[in-house]
Amino acid sequence: KAGVTQTPRYLIKTRGQQVTLSCSPISGHRSVSWYQQTPGQGLQFLFEYFSETQRNKGNFPGRFSGRQFSNSRSEMNVSTLELGDSALYLCASSLSGGQSSGRSGYTFGSGTRLTVV
Amino acid sequence: DAKTTQPPSMDCAEGRAANLPCNHSTISGNEYVYWYRQIHSQGPQYIIHGLKNNETNEMASLIITEDRKSSTLILPHATLRDTAVYYCIVRPHNFGNEKLTFGTGTRLTIIP
Repeated sequence: KAGVTQTPRYLIKTRGQQVTLSCSPISGHRSVSWYQQTPGQGLQFLFEYFSETQRNKGNFPGRFSGRQFSNSRSEMNVSTLELGDSALYLCASSLSGGQSSGRSGYTFGSGTRLTVV
Repeated sequence: DAKTTQPPSMDCAEGRAANLPCNHSTISGNEYVYWYRQIHSQGPQYIIHGLKNNETNEMASLIITEDRKSSTLILPHATLRDTAVYYCIVRPHNFGNEKLTFGTGTRLTIIP
């Protein structure tokens, strides 16, 4: 079956602009999580959506937002981009949480590499 | 989530078993131990997880000590493709707790 698909793979934006990243989860998966990976901070949890609702949130400023659609696809948006937002943004999907996500954990996409200049 | 401690780097000869340790001395009774790995520029890949019993799958074995304060991931016959950063994570299996707290991991290099 198809894996987690993230688009675009690479993106270059200018400071002050905004950006929208897309994630299509594995078919049947209802939970989508987003992570930011930078050399300095490593992998950090941004937020998680389930059934179109944000269920968990990490410690990121309000410039980072997301949403989930009825087909479980998710988008994340970063407004007023800063140089420090340059990172690999990863999306992960799972069935729904708790015991049902236990066996295989989360499936990650290959990420979107955002460069802010 | 409980914290984990892993050595920053390890080397292993190709064809030998790679044993990656993880310390999770503050783990709670309902928290599972998960292992993921990340090959350069790709998303993390699930390897294995367990609660208190040893586990084995097609990729690896997981040995958890009886007091659950530490564990070891074993790759029985390491290949060059196993070169990656390996993350040990503990998390509870609570519905709605969809968050992985990654540490710095162990950079495993397989030597030809």
